[in-house]
Amino acid sequence: EAGVVQSPRYKIIEKKQPVAFWCNPISGHNTLYWYLQNLGQGPELLIRYENEEAVDDSQLPKDRFSAERLKGVDSTLKIQPAELGDSAVYLCASSLVGSADTQYFGPGTRLTVL
Amino acid sequence: QQPVQSPQAVILREGEDAVINCSSSKALYSVHWYRQKHGEAPVFLMILLKGGEQKGHEKISASFNEKKQQSSLYLTASQLSYSGTYFCGTDQTGANNLFFGTGTRLTVIP
Repeated sequence: EAGVVQSPRYKIIEKKQPVAFWCNPISGHNTLYWYLQNLGQGPELLIRYENEEAVDDSQLPKDRFSAERLKGVDSTLKIQPAELGDSAVYLCASSLVGSADTQYFGPGTRLTVL
Repeated sequence: QQPVQSPQAVILREGEDAVINCSSSKALYSVHWYRQKHGEAPVFLMILLKGGEQKGHEKISASFNEKKQQSSLYLTASQLSYSGTYFCGTDQTGANNLFFGTGTRLTVIP
């Protein structure tokens, strides 16, 4: 069974430019998560989807970050405009259900903002 | 809401044992343990639900004391492949919104 797929794996942009990350969860997984991981830190939840619905986006900086999950499968996380402090690894995870269930992580996208 | 992990780092020789602790100031519904190697995705190890049941397989096991909001991960007879950063993720409500600790870096040397 294929795992969580993310692309691109690496992205380097200049500040104020837009950037987008794509995630394809494990087939059949209804719940999808986007996390941010700074160097030397644990992942921090940005947003959680149950199918197409964003059920928790309280940690998402909505002035510059946006996300969507069309048709309840793939998801895209966007930053516009990017700032220097956005440099981090952006991880996508999925789980079969949304309660006390194993979250499977993708390899992440490492973003560098110059 | 972020749990506190200890120790921050530990170095072991092959075959030695280690304990990693995770403590929260909030009541917990579940605790999730992951291992992450440099540049890779976090890999799931186990989930512990409130009830205090100890889980494990082979040489890695864990316990969860819901009264103390603490969990411990036990690594016995460590192998070189155990090296990595271990994270606990805590869920307070059952909604699976995890708060991760800052990690424990484990290094196993020959």
